[in-house]
Amino acid sequence: QVQLQESGPGLVKPSGTLSLTCAVSGGSISSSNWWSWIRQPPGKGLEWIGEIYHSGSTNYNPSLKSRVTISVDKSKNQFSLKLSSVTAADTAVYYCARRLVWLDVPYYFDYWGQGTLVTVSS
Amino acid sequence: DIQMTQSPSSLSASVGDRVTITCQASQDISNYLNWYQQKPGKAPKLLIYDASNLETGVPSRFSGSGSGTDFTFTISSLQPEDIATYYCQQYDNPVTFGPGTKVDIK
Repeated sequence: QVQLQESGPGLVKPSGTLSLTCAVSGGSISSSNWWSWIRQPPGKGLEWIGEIYHSGSTNYNPSLKSRVTISVDKSKNQFSLKLSSVTAADTAVYYCARRLVWLDVPYYFDYWGQGTLVTVSS
Repeated sequence: DIQMTQSPSSLSASVGDRVTITCQASQDISNYLNWYQQKPGKAPKLLIYDASNLETGVPSRFSGSGSGTDFTFTISSLQPEDIATYYCQQYDNPVTFGPGTKVDIK
């Protein structure tokens, strides 16, 4: 059973950089799947931030692309998110998730972390 | 980007009622459509993939249909534990989700 666990600061100052890590257990991050970050502002819907493959290939949401970096550390079986120049609008629960790949096609998000609330405030 | 809309945004129904939610894509996405259930304070849970395939372990009262731009999600007999918000999601990058439909008990 694959498990994902987000970690990182719960409070970030405006104009600062949000940094989160997702630790993967019960499976290898080098498996043929994509690893995603998704966020959800309080009381609102889900927004896909981006994803990474174990090779280091990435896909980002164009609306956030200029501020987002997703990286992978295969030795630690984890991947990370950095979001720069944050404002209050970036306050959200941040989820990491596995996106299943089948026949080279990325499909659905089948495993999710529990989510971590990050608040942007001075 | 492919935009997803859902209707209604919320609904109230009685236990045992049939509940239907619709999802529309801004362009043809074939059957590349998934449905998730999210309960308060929890991560979303996959219910339906490829528009109509039931994820393993999900009760058979949940079902999905549709292709192209128009999709439907149905709970055949609403149960108290189905109280949640339901989201559709399309596969093509950038991945996009519908705005959600909140379901509660009347």
